[in-house]
Amino acid sequence: GAVVSQHPSWVICKSGTSVKIECRSLDFQATTMFWYRQFPKQSLMLMATSNEGSKATYEQGVEKDKFLINHASLTLSTLTVTSAHPEDSSFYICSANHPGTGAEKLFFGSGTQLSVL
Amino acid sequence: GQSLEQPSEVTAVEGAIVQINCTYQTSGFYGLSWYQQHDGGAPTFLSYNALDGLEETGRFSSFLSRSDSYGYLLLQELQMKDSASYFCAVRASGGSYIPTFGRGTSLIVHP
Repeated sequence: GAVVSQHPSWVICKSGTSVKIECRSLDFQATTMFWYRQFPKQSLMLMATSNEGSKATYEQGVEKDKFLINHASLTLSTLTVTSAHPEDSSFYICSANHPGTGAEKLFFGSGTQLSVL
Repeated sequence: GQSLEQPSEVTAVEGAIVQINCTYQTSGFYGLSWYQQHDGGAPTFLSYNALDGLEETGRFSSFLSRSDSYGYLLLQELQMKDSASYFCAVRASGGSYIPTFGRGTSLIVHP
C-alpha cells in the first residue's frame, strides 16, 4: 500500500528554537497533505491543509506564523514549529490521499513527538 | 461544523464481539471512515461506508445508517492485538477531503 514517511519520529528542543518536521509520500504524488496535532488519548485535530505549489489553508485558531507549512514538491510537505514553547509539545502527524485509492482513505505518517523544554 | 460522538472506552475479553458506535452531525456528508491507532503509532485505515448497510472485511465490519446519522464498527473474535484506539471520521463539505475525527474509543481486550 501507499507509504507516507514522517521524520523525525521524536524531537526534544529548547524553548525558543524552531523545529522542522518532514512528511514524504514515498510511492505516490500528493498534491494535498494534512497536518494534525494530537494530545494523549485525544482526537486528531486538523491544523492545516498543505497544498503543493500554493499557500496552506489553516484551521481556525491555528497560527500560521507559528506553524509554517511548505509544500514545495508533490512528495514533500514540511511543518516548522517556530519559536517553540512547552505548550507546543504534542504529537504531530501528517497524512495524504493516494490518487489511486480514493479520497476517503488517508495514509498517515508515523508521527513526530515534540517535547519542548 | 461537524461533530462526532463515540464512547471513550470499551473493554472486552479475547474471542468476544464488540461494537463501537459513532453518531455524527455534519453538513455535506459523504461517508464515514474508521481508523485504528495503537499507542504511539500512526492511524491506519480500516473501512469506509458511503451507503447504508454493512461492509465486512475479515473480522471487522462497519455499518452506516445515513438517515440516523449513525454508524458502528464491529470487531469479532477479538484478539489482544486489537487493543487500540478506534476513530470514526466524516468528510466535511467541500471539494477536497478534509476529514473530521471523533475523539476516539479506547478498546481494551483482556485475556
